[in-house]
Amino acid sequence: DAKTTQPNSMESNEEEPVHLPCNHSTISGTDYIHWYRQLPSQGPEYVIHGLTSNVNNRMASLAIAEDRKSSTLILHRATLRDAAVYYCMPAAGNQFYFGTGTSLTVIP
Amino acid sequence: DAGITQSPRHKVTETGTPVTLRCHQTENHRYMYWYRQDPGHGLRLIHYSYGVKDTDKGEVSDGYSVSRSKTEDFLLTLESATSSQTSVYFCAIRGRTGGSGYTFGSGTRLTVV
Repeated sequence: DAKTTQPNSMESNEEEPVHLPCNHSTISGTDYIHWYRQLPSQGPEYVIHGLTSNVNNRMASLAIAEDRKSSTLILHRATLRDAAVYYCMPAAGNQFYFGTGTSLTVIP
Repeated sequence: DAGITQSPRHKVTETGTPVTLRCHQTENHRYMYWYRQDPGHGLRLIHYSYGVKDTDKGEVSDGYSVSRSKTEDFLLTLESATSSQTSVYFCAIRGRTGGSGYTFGSGTRLTVV
């Protein structure tokens, strides 16, 4: 299974962009890169995923390195509601393994 | 969340008793998963299913069994609960392709005393 490395915690000021990095150097060529977030006392929720190209949706953008060994989740304007733990996860076959994620604090 | 329901939401049980947690989906998704979440460990995969009666172990499967007799239901059983199984349990469903994401349930908080 592909292992991931994320910073344990990050802080951002409200309404500023946030770049959340993830290293997944053992990713295989067919693994999609998924990002999820978990708000306090809730189950994780899907944020975005991609394979090779950068991806955008209403929640965030995903920038994938050319060698696919790392990716960055970009929140364009952090809000207080974005305070959560963010997990990146290479989707290896049928099994999805989460790391311990990055706890994002948004400062008003 | 829409399409996936876990029951019960909370349960307290005694050590040594059997416990079954239920995950029910209305999305007709092929893949279903059980995770547990503990402080300092993040989410860890217990078991997963890739179809009716097709299941496989995850990284922390000892002490747990699962069954899937219908597409919509995935049961997690603790045959003889132990205090180390006190945790929050999440069920997740996924569509058929590797590119599709998970949808998680709201979780079951299990306390073994």
